[in-house]
Amino acid sequence: AIRMTQSPSSFSASTGDRVTITCRASQGISSYLAWYQQKPGKAPKLLIYAASTLQSGVPSRFSGSGSGTDFTLTISCLQSEDFATYYCQQYYSYPPYTFGQGTKLEIK
Amino acid sequence: QVQLQESGPGLVKPSGTLSLTCAVSGGSISSSNWWSWVRQPPGKGLEWIGEIYHSGSTNYNPSLKSRVTISVDKSKNQFSLKLSSVTAADTAVYYCARKIAVAGTVGYFDYWGQGTLVTVSS
Repeated sequence: AIRMTQSPSSFSASTGDRVTITCRASQGISSYLAWYQQKPGKAPKLLIYAASTLQSGVPSRFSGSGSGTDFTLTISCLQSEDFATYYCQQYYSYPPYTFGQGTKLEIK
Repeated sequence: QVQLQESGPGLVKPSGTLSLTCAVSGGSISSSNWWSWVRQPPGKGLEWIGEIYHSGSTNYNPSLKSRVTISVDKSKNQFSLKLSSVTAADTAVYYCARKIAVAGTVGYFDYWGQGTLVTVSS
């Protein structure tokens, strides 16, 4: 199985900050990567697919980049509603689909 | 707008079988999508369990394959999960999700159910 590793596992930031979350795959996955946002008690929400394509309805302050093994999710100007846990998921090879362990973004 | 809703017992005894159903509304289960189950133990990350296509084709996580069965009922527009020989390690929130297939059968998940907590305990 392809292992997905996110960094950091958690960190604190303030509204208005620009933040970047990293996801690394244990082998090349081209651009077959999705990002999800999950708030407590809620289902994950698709933010980005194909590494950099914004899902319909997702604010443009979210962006994704990368290919191969290294990917980033950037939030350009944090809003209060962005404090959540973020997961990456590879869909290059399955079964199984695999997710990163999550990055919890907390308010400083 | 596609909606998914999980249902099933919230408590299962150890060594028993966990059974959940996902009802799909706002779209047909016979569309060109795959339908998945994903779980999340309390306080932990996401684990893909398996998926089914309306034809009945399935794919399972190798780590769970010996215990998992996913089936589809097109007449009711729903699909189901059975996980046998459960232990406390199977306690989790179970989500059903729709997979958008790209480049063949691989894909990502665009619609999710709200999730249902299943606790394995005597």
